[in-house]
Amino acid sequence: DTEVTQTPKHLVMGMTNKKSLKCEQHMGHRAMYWYKQKAKKPPELMFVYSYEKLSINESVPSRFSPECPNSSLLNLHLHALQPEDSALYLCASGDGEGYTFGSGTRLTVV
Amino acid sequence: QQPVQSPQAVILREGEDAVINCSSSKALYSVHWYRQKHGEAPVFLMILLKGGEQKGHEKISASFNEKKQQSSLYLTASQLSYSGTYFCGTDNSHVFNKFYFGSGTKLNVKP
Repeated sequence: DTEVTQTPKHLVMGMTNKKSLKCEQHMGHRAMYWYKQKAKKPPELMFVYSYEKLSINESVPSRFSPECPNSSLLNLHLHALQPEDSALYLCASGDGEGYTFGSGTRLTVV
Repeated sequence: QQPVQSPQAVILREGEDAVINCSSSKALYSVHWYRQKHGEAPVFLMILLKGGEQKGHEKISASFNEKKQQSSLYLTASQLSYSGTYFCGTDNSHVFNKFYFGSGTKLNVKP
């Protein structure tokens, strides 16, 4: 299995809602990443998990809360988001030889 | 921290060649290249490691100049399927660390 699976593919949420994005990989990769991508811009790094521990937090607002329940799963919990948080959220995994990306979750905050 | 790419956009006819450049202000351990088509996830093309050789497969290859902290992606005899946005990405360490994407180069190959 050489895929990174993200769910849901699309999500519309209100500013008072709580939702979660999910990511799963079965390639045995030791690092997992969350990126945010706005239209016509490169992906921006948000969080890095290395061996299931949060190793990098790029000063992301606390309304985004990552979680790594095990080596295959990565979640991103969302709460009280703003309209400017609307974007494509990409999960990636890697093992030092390039990263495999999921197809992303297209998030719209209304 | 984000590497800078040039040019920002390229328009080619099928069969023409292109070079995309990536430059960093920091010392690099590795450079990655990705292609992203509209509405899709970035797809890994290749990685070049510090001390490594030029890499490539068929008509897409890349080089890495560690001293200049630069990498170039070479697309020869371009095909319609090469269209998309190309990103370089850089690592400054061999441990799992911050991985930053370059500003991107939009490539449009026309028949």
